[in-house]
Amino acid sequence: AAGVIQSPRHLIKEKRETATLKCYPIPRHDTVYWYQQGPGQDPQFLISFYEKMQSDKGSIPDRFSAQQFSDYHSELNMSSLELGDSALYFCASSRATSGREDEQYFGPGTRLTVT
Amino acid sequence: RKEVEQDPGPFNVPEGATVAFNCTYSNSASQSFFWYRQDCRKEPKLLMSVYSSGNEDGRFTAQLNRASQYISLLIRDSKLSDSATYLCVVKRGNNRLAFGKGNQVVVIP
Repeated sequence: AAGVIQSPRHLIKEKRETATLKCYPIPRHDTVYWYQQGPGQDPQFLISFYEKMQSDKGSIPDRFSAQQFSDYHSELNMSSLELGDSALYFCASSRATSGREDEQYFGPGTRLTVT
Repeated sequence: RKEVEQDPGPFNVPEGATVAFNCTYSNSASQSFFWYRQDCRKEPKLLMSVYSSGNEDGRFTAQLNRASQYISLLIRDSKLSDSATYLCVVKRGNNRLAFGKGNQVVVIP
């Protein structure tokens, strides 16, 4: 079965640079979530979108922005990168009308390293 | 206080044995409950949803106690491939997931 696709899988940036992470949800999934997992930490919710509208916002820095496009893929834009932004960034997707809309399926993640 | 509390372990389990662990959650308004499995440096994978009546999937059994706000997972006949971190996850009404720090399970031959 098709899974969530994230690109790139690995990204190395320098401080103060910008980065764009992409997420392609499972086909027919309409909701996308972004999570950040630091070393030795559990995933922390950043932001989510349902039908291209922001549905919830968590601990996402103001330097970050995200959107969901008409084909349901999502992009997380990160500017003025800091060393502390180094983490695994996961995207998850779910389908609101599936009857199992609670279940979120995670992509393989993008490992961002800021030097 | 963290929203979902888990004892990180590690839980060293002989192959073929049974292991069980719990997690507690603090928000009584939590609506849905899950166990995810995460291998080192990989994404969390949904193991099972947890229902009030309890549910079983093969060697895995999950229980939910809403009154005491805890969730349990039991693994029977442990396999080497069960070695992973098991994340207790809670969803609130806004759909965001709150994760525990995970129970690290090491199955020993």
